[in-house]
Amino acid sequence: DIQLTQSPSFLSASVGDRVTITCRASQGIGTFLAWYQQKVGKAPKPLIYAASTLQSGVSSRFSGSGSGTEFTLTISSLQPEDFATYYCQQLNSFPLTFGPGTTVDIK
Amino acid sequence: EVQLVESGGGLVQPGGSLSLSCAASGFTFSDHYLEWVRQAPGRGLEWVGRIRNKANSYTTEYAASVKGRFTISRDDSKSSLFLQMNNLRAEDTAVYYCTRAGFSYGFLDSWGQGALVTVSS
Repeated sequence: DIQLTQSPSFLSASVGDRVTITCRASQGIGTFLAWYQQKVGKAPKPLIYAASTLQSGVSSRFSGSGSGTEFTLTISSLQPEDFATYYCQQLNSFPLTFGPGTTVDIK
Repeated sequence: EVQLVESGGGLVQPGGSLSLSCAASGFTFSDHYLEWVRQAPGRGLEWVGRIRNKANSYTTEYAASVKGRFTISRDDSKSSLFLQMNNLRAEDTAVYYCTRAGFSYGFLDSWGQGALVTVSS
């Protein structure tokens, strides 16, 4: 199975900060990676697929990059509504797996 | 607007069975792969399984943790997805999300609100 790790697990940031979250895969997955945002008590919201393609309706302050085993999600200027937990997911092979999540909290 | 609405959650004893349903609307249900994802209380997301469309013979994939106990099915005539869960364990306690896989990379582009399943005596 492909294992995903995320770093950091938790980060505190301020409104306006640039934030970067890293997702690493235990083996190469090309660009078969997606990112989701989840707020407490809510269903996950899809953000990015194919490592760097923004889902329709998602703010352009979100961006994704990477291929192979290392990927990043960047929020260019953190907004109050961005405080949430972020998960990566590999879509390369079964079983599909999620990373453990990165919680972005208010500093 | 795409909508996915789960139902059927509740409390069940260990070893028992429960069936979840997901009613879909706002898109051509029969074209899409559909998947279940779960989230135990205070934990991360766990993929449960996938069912493909008719063109791909409705084939299924499952996580090892549920294989042989859970069955995913669908009724395209009713735009409905199902999850039959047997021999339930305490560790199956979770919110279960019905999701739609988009045509790009199988990305989960739509999610239901979730249904809570609690396995406890």
